[in-house]
Amino acid sequence: AQTVTQSQPEMSVQEAETVTLSCTYDTSESDYYLFWYKQPPSRQMILVIRQEAYKQQNATENRFSVNFQKAAKSFSLKISDSQLGDAAMYFCAYRNFGNEKLTFGTGTRLTIIP
Amino acid sequence: AAGVIQSPRHLIKEKRETATLKCYPIPRHDTVYWYQQGPGQDPQFLISFYEKMQSDKGSIPDRFSAQQFSDYHSELNMSSLELGDSALYFCASSLTGQVLKQYFGPGTRLTVT
Repeated sequence: AQTVTQSQPEMSVQEAETVTLSCTYDTSESDYYLFWYKQPPSRQMILVIRQEAYKQQNATENRFSVNFQKAAKSFSLKISDSQLGDAAMYFCAYRNFGNEKLTFGTGTRLTIIP
Repeated sequence: AAGVIQSPRHLIKEKRETATLKCYPIPRHDTVYWYQQGPGQDPQFLISFYEKMQSDKGSIPDRFSAQQFSDYHSELNMSSLELGDSALYFCASSLTGQVLKQYFGPGTRLTVT
């Protein structure tokens, strides 16, 4: 079974600074997908960014980018120019190729300091 | 743009009662997923449906059942409710061929007293 580990229960960053959230995963599969979801106080789950394992190029979405290290099974999220609206729980998630369910990590609560 | 709709948004039940949660996927989406998120926990996959057939099953208790109807909406039926069933229940939907885009609904908060 696949597992996803987020070793940082809480992180904080000064507004406009950069922060990196860590995620590692364990799988024996070679084809899979990785995601970062944001859950603000509203509890809505919002997809932030996704990465296909077969792609070597790291995904980027505006201020959000990932550092995908397949050999190390690491998938960190970098948030640049942090904004107050970025404050939320961030979940790393894994999905097998050909499977549908998402396996989530335990989350990292990000606080933005004005 | 239309999003995933879940009803009710909040539900309070007593122990041993039954609850039914409904999910209306984004129009044209043919796959529905159910997740359970306990207090302070990460979401756990329960079950999914593709074209009205169960496609995958996770840690769903035997007291729970679900189905997807001809209009693609889905219902999660929960019987003999226990205190531990109190959680946020998410429904998500996706379209075949776009499985990387799994859109979540706002969730139904179930409180069992």
